[in-house]
Amino acid sequence: NAGVMQNPRHLVRRRGQEARLRCSPMKGHSHVYWYRQLPEEGLKFMVYLQKENIIDESGMPKERFSAEFPKEGPSILRIQQVVRGDSAAYFCASSPRRRSFGDTQYFGPGTRLTVL
Amino acid sequence: DAKTTQPNSMESNEEEPVHLPCNHSTISGTDYIHWYRQLPSQGPEYVIHGLTSNVNNRMASLAIAEDRKSSTLILHRATLRDAAVYYCILRDVEGAQKLVFGQGTRLTINP
Repeated sequence: NAGVMQNPRHLVRRRGQEARLRCSPMKGHSHVYWYRQLPEEGLKFMVYLQKENIIDESGMPKERFSAEFPKEGPSILRIQQVVRGDSAAYFCASSPRRRSFGDTQYFGPGTRLTVL
Repeated sequence: DAKTTQPNSMESNEEEPVHLPCNHSTISGTDYIHWYRQLPSQGPEYVIHGLTSNVNNRMASLAIAEDRKSSTLILHRATLRDAAVYYCILRDVEGAQKLVFGQGTRLTINP
């Protein structure tokens, strides 16, 4: 059973360009979460999605950032007009169902975004 | 989610037990205690979780105080591969889905 897959693993963009980060959840998982880890900082929640729905986007910056999880295909985190402060590791996690006492989030290896 | 307090760093020797403490004095009755760890340059990894009783799995044990205001993650025989940042996280069974990560404890294992 393949784990959570993220691609690309490393992404370099110049200021003003767009960054697209992809996440394929584990097989059978319909819940996806995105987290960001800035250099020398902790992990911060960004957004929680189910298929075709954004459930919680309380951690998403108000501008330039968007996320989707279509019916078919991977979840996409999109950053428009990137700035140097967007340089970070972006982690995706998936879980099989709505939270119950035992649910667990399974994390991917992350995408390391560098903005020049 | 309620706040947890962990030491910034700890150090231990290979093949010795490691006890990682976590204080959560404001825990509510419906909060589960979860532990994740993050190895260098990797995504976080689930370790263990519990509510009231002590829990064991192949990775670790979780000892929960009787008043639930603190807990301890126990690695029975640490290996070099256990060097990581360990996060103690409280999750309300009916609350938000997101994980709220604190600073965690950076565990160093000496050979």
